[in-house]
Amino acid sequence: KNEVEQSPQNLTAQEGEFITINCSYSVGISALHWLQQHPGGGIVSLFMLSSGKKKHGRLIATINIQEKHSSLHITASHPRDSAVYICAPENRDDKIIFGKGTRLHILP
Amino acid sequence: NAGVMQNPRHLVRRRGQEARLRCSPMKGHSHVYWYRQLPEEGLKFMVYLQKENIIDESGMPKERFSAEFPKEGPSILRIQQVVRGDSAAYFCASSPFTERNTEAFFGQGTRLTVV
Repeated sequence: KNEVEQSPQNLTAQEGEFITINCSYSVGISALHWLQQHPGGGIVSLFMLSSGKKKHGRLIATINIQEKHSSLHITASHPRDSAVYICAPENRDDKIIFGKGTRLHILP
Repeated sequence: NAGVMQNPRHLVRRRGQEARLRCSPMKGHSHVYWYRQLPEEGLKFMVYLQKENIIDESGMPKERFSAEFPKEGPSILRIQQVVRGDSAAYFCASSPFTERNTEAFFGQGTRLTVV
C-alpha cells in the first residue's frame, strides 16, 4: 500500500466549480505540503501546514492529523488552475514523501 | 531573490555519456534536495545535502549517480554512463538553515533525455 494516496487521480470540471482534492497518508508526519505542477513541469509550493487550515486567495488547505487526511479546495475554479496537484507529507525524519498527484483540468 | 535556479532546463545525452545537472539554491539557503520524476510517475527523493556534506543519500541509485554541494558554487547531480532509463525530470529544492518544517522552494527542473 502506498504511504500517500490521493483522490481523485484525474478530475475534469467546468469553470466556476468548487474543487476538492483529497490526500490520505499512513506515516507520522511533522508537516504536509501541497504542490502545484504546471503543464510545463515547474513546481510551485502552495501550502505547508501542520494543523488546521490555511487560505491563499481561492485556495484552501485543511489537515486532520488524527485522521491522517488533508484536503485542498479551489473555489471559483478557472482554466488557469489546470495543473497537477501533489500532496507531500513530511515524515518525522524531515523526508518528504510525494503522492502521485491529481491531474485537474478546468474547462472554460 | 532569483529563486532556485536549475540548469540546463533540457539536456540530451547519448547512452554512455555523462550528465551534469546544476542547482543553485535560493540566497541564504544551505540545504539542497534532489528529486527525480520518471515519466508518468510521482516525484521520488534522491539525496539531501548541506554544504560540503551529504546528509541522506538513501534515494540515490547505488551506481553511476553522485551528488555534491561544494562550499562555493551550485550543487551538482552527476550521472555517469547514462542509460535510457535515466530519462526523467530532475528537480532540486532548497530550504534555509533553520529549524525543521520549513517551506521547500523548488527549481524548474532539468529534463534529461537519453537517446
